[in-house]
This record gives sequence, structure tokens and C-alpha cells, in this order.
Amino acid sequence: AQTVTQSQPEMSVQEAETVTLSCTYDTSESDYYLFWYKQPPSRQMILVIRQEAYKQQNATENRFSVNFQKAAKSFSLKISDSQLGDAAMYFCAYLGYGGSQGNLIFGKGTKLSVKP
Amino acid sequence: EAGVAQSPRYKIIEKRQSVAFWCNPISGHATLYWYQQILGQGPKLLIQFQNNGVVDDSQLPKDRFSAERLKGVDSTLKIQPAKLEDSAVYLCASSRTYGTSEEQYFGPGTRLTVT
Repeated sequence: AQTVTQSQPEMSVQEAETVTLSCTYDTSESDYYLFWYKQPPSRQMILVIRQEAYKQQNATENRFSVNFQKAAKSFSLKISDSQLGDAAMYFCAYLGYGGSQGNLIFGKGTKLSVKP
Repeated sequence: EAGVAQSPRYKIIEKRQSVAFWCNPISGHATLYWYQQILGQGPKLLIQFQNNGVVDDSQLPKDRFSAERLKGVDSTLKIQPAKLEDSAVYLCASSRTYGTSEEQYFGPGTRLTVT
């Protein structure tokens, strides 16, 4: 069974600085998707960035980028120029082709605080 | 476009009582998901519908949980009877169609407290 591990329960960053959130996963599949979701306090979860495993190029969305290391099964999220609105829970998630398509497997999350 | 709607937002019940949650997905979205998010953990998929048919309910505790999606639009998740360990946020999500690459859009969730 696939698993997702986020080893940093909490992280803190100064406004305008850069922070990296870590995620590792375990799978025997060769094709899959990886995601980072943001869940602000009392607000709904939104997709931050997505990476297809067959693509070697790391995904980028404005200030958000990933470092995808397929062999190491590592998928970290880098947030540049951190803003107060980035404060939230961040979840790393895995989605495989095998079994139930749509069954997102989430890590336990990392709570990010942004200091002004 | 309107997002995924859920109600109620909060619910407090005593153990052994029953409770129901409602979800209305984004218009035109064929696939609907229910997740359970226990405090301190990531969401866990309970059940997945494609239109009004169940695609995956392997993680749904069927002795007490049930869900339906009549007419392939909105959905109801029921717990009967509730246990203390059912305290969690219940998230509904929808996607345009069924498939690994489809983005899932989440609702605000229903926070259930069982006392």
C-alpha cells in the first residue's frame, strides 16, 4: 500500500523569506501523480501544485515550486517570498493509477506559520 | 462558478445518535468523494461516486456509515449510530470526471463532535 510521510509537523518562516516543506512517499507503481494542497484555518482545501511522475521537469506555479526526486521518492515544496496568506496546513498527497483512481492518499500535514 | 457546498458546517451529537451530512458538488462534476479528516491527520477517502454509482467504498465502515448520491448530483453521508472516534471533519470533493489526472475540488467540510 502507498504511504505518504511528512516529517515536519510545524514550520515557521519570516515574511518574504523562502521555506521548504518535505514529503516522502512509498509506492511500487511507476506512474502516479503527486500534489501539494493548502488548507487555511476554517477554509477549504485548495490545490497548490501538481507533479506527474513521468515528467522529469519540476512543476512551478508562481512562488511555489517542487523538487521531485523520483528515485529517492521525495517531493518537497518550496515557497519563495513567503506572504502572510501562506500560513496554513500543507498536505502532500499521492494519487496512483492502480486500484481506485481518485483515491488521494494524504500525509499528516505540516502547519506553516508566517511571521511578519 | 460556485464551489462545493456542504452543510451543516458544525454538528455536535451524543454517541449512539445518528447524523447526516449533505454535499452539493460543482455543477457538471460527475465524480464525488467523501473524506474523513481526524484531527492531526490528513484526509482519508471513505467513498467515491461516479454519477450515481459507487466506484470505491472499501474504506467506508459499512456497519455504521452509509452514503448515497441519488440522481447523480448531491450526496448524503450518514452515520448511525455514531461513536466517539467518529469525531472528525467530513470533507466532500468533486471532480469533472473520473480519472487520475482530474483535479479534486474540496468543500469547506462539516466538523462533527461526538460526545
